[in-house]
Amino acid sequence: AQKITQTQPGMFVQEKEAVTLDCTYDTSDQSYGLFWYKQPSSGEMIFLIYQGSYDEQNATEGRYSLNFQKARKSANLVISASQLGDSAMYFCAMRESYGGATNKLIFGTGTLLAVQP
Amino acid sequence: NAGVTQTPKFQVLKTGQSMTLQCAQDMNHNSMYWYRQDPGMGLRLIYYSASEGTTDKGEVPNGYNVSRLNKREFSLRLESAAPSQTSVYFCASASGGSGKNIQYFGAGTRLSVL
Repeated sequence: AQKITQTQPGMFVQEKEAVTLDCTYDTSDQSYGLFWYKQPSSGEMIFLIYQGSYDEQNATEGRYSLNFQKARKSANLVISASQLGDSAMYFCAMRESYGGATNKLIFGTGTLLAVQP
Repeated sequence: NAGVTQTPKFQVLKTGQSMTLQCAQDMNHNSMYWYRQDPGMGLRLIYYSASEGTTDKGEVPNGYNVSRLNKREFSLRLESAAPSQTSVYFCASASGGSGKNIQYFGAGTRLSVL
């Protein structure tokens, strides 16, 4: 069965430092997509970054990058130069089949990040 | 800038009452989804609609029904609410087909069943 594992329930990081949030996944599909979402205390789910299983380069979006290690089945989120506004819950998610009509997402349990001044 | 709009934002029900959560998207997306979020469990898929006119069960469909009213709207109905359905409910939409298919979420509905 497909599964997403986030082993860090909570993390602290100092403002302006980089932080890595871990995500491992389990799938037998060759084609899949990996996503990270941010959920601030206000509750909305905000899309951050996407990595396709066939993408050769690691995805980057501004201060966010995805450290994709296919053989290890890991898709860690790296946030550079942390800001106070980065304090939030972060969810890793996997799409079951690439480009499939269902496009269903499986979510991890999340990591709560606290950025300290 | 509306994106995905959910109503209501908050709701309190008594056990056995019914209600419908509304969701509408203005991005011309084909696919729509309903998730619930419980503490420590991430988001779990309740029902989804891959395209207008179709609906399918997700991981936790029991106690819920859905209607894909048209391409824009996808509603979730609780026929007889139970305390176990106390949760935060999110609606999402995606373009469907091949490609990234990023799901965009509404702001959520916080439901308490007493």
